[in-house]
Amino acid sequence: RKEVEQDPGPFNVPEGATVAFNCTYSNSASQSFFWYRQDCRKEPKLLMSVYSSGNEDGRFTAQLNRASQYISLLIRDSKLSDSATYLCVVDLTGAGSYQLTFGKGTKLSVIP
Amino acid sequence: NAGVTQTPKFQVLKTGQSMTLQCAQDMNHEYMSWYRQDPGMGLRLIHYSVGAGITDQGEVPNGYNVSRSTTEDFPLRLLSAAPSQTSVYFCASSFRAYNSPLHFGNGTRLTVT
Repeated sequence: RKEVEQDPGPFNVPEGATVAFNCTYSNSASQSFFWYRQDCRKEPKLLMSVYSSGNEDGRFTAQLNRASQYISLLIRDSKLSDSATYLCVVDLTGAGSYQLTFGKGTKLSVIP
Repeated sequence: NAGVTQTPKFQVLKTGQSMTLQCAQDMNHEYMSWYRQDPGMGLRLIHYSVGAGITDQGEVPNGYNVSRSTTEDFPLRLLSAAPSQTSVYFCASSFRAYNSPLHFGNGTRLTVT
């Protein structure tokens, strides 16, 4: 069965904290990985793509572990504005098709 | 640029009625897709298209039709609405059908009574 699994949370963290989310996926042949954020009653928005060597964008760091089939998102120095649901997205079909599967999301609340 | 435009934003239908959700993108994206989002279920792929004239089924295609006559437009048709189709529908596009992030429209909130 093709799956993308995330811890639903919620994660309640104080401002300034570091928080990490993990996401596991079922197809070892998957090639495309992304993190999105979704605010309440809004559309998902791309946070960052996830590259094989890992990548960083300001306070956000994404990692890919192919051997264990998971991706991670690290948020440093959390801001109130980081409160949202974070969605892990993987193309589980591998080569030959392109169907992005979304995890159910991890809810983050950053508390003053 | 407008990006991905969905209409309508809200719609109420009676069981058995049909309607078309419109989606248009002005980014010359090759790939377009429709998702539905339900509480506790996350986003699920309904149909997708890798180019004009080409469509395929996603995870939950039953009760929906699509067509892609132009690069820009990808309408979703509900043939005979059912209460189980009450959901938030998102259209999304990407530059290509490989390793390319999706850009989403604002969504359509559909209620079927």
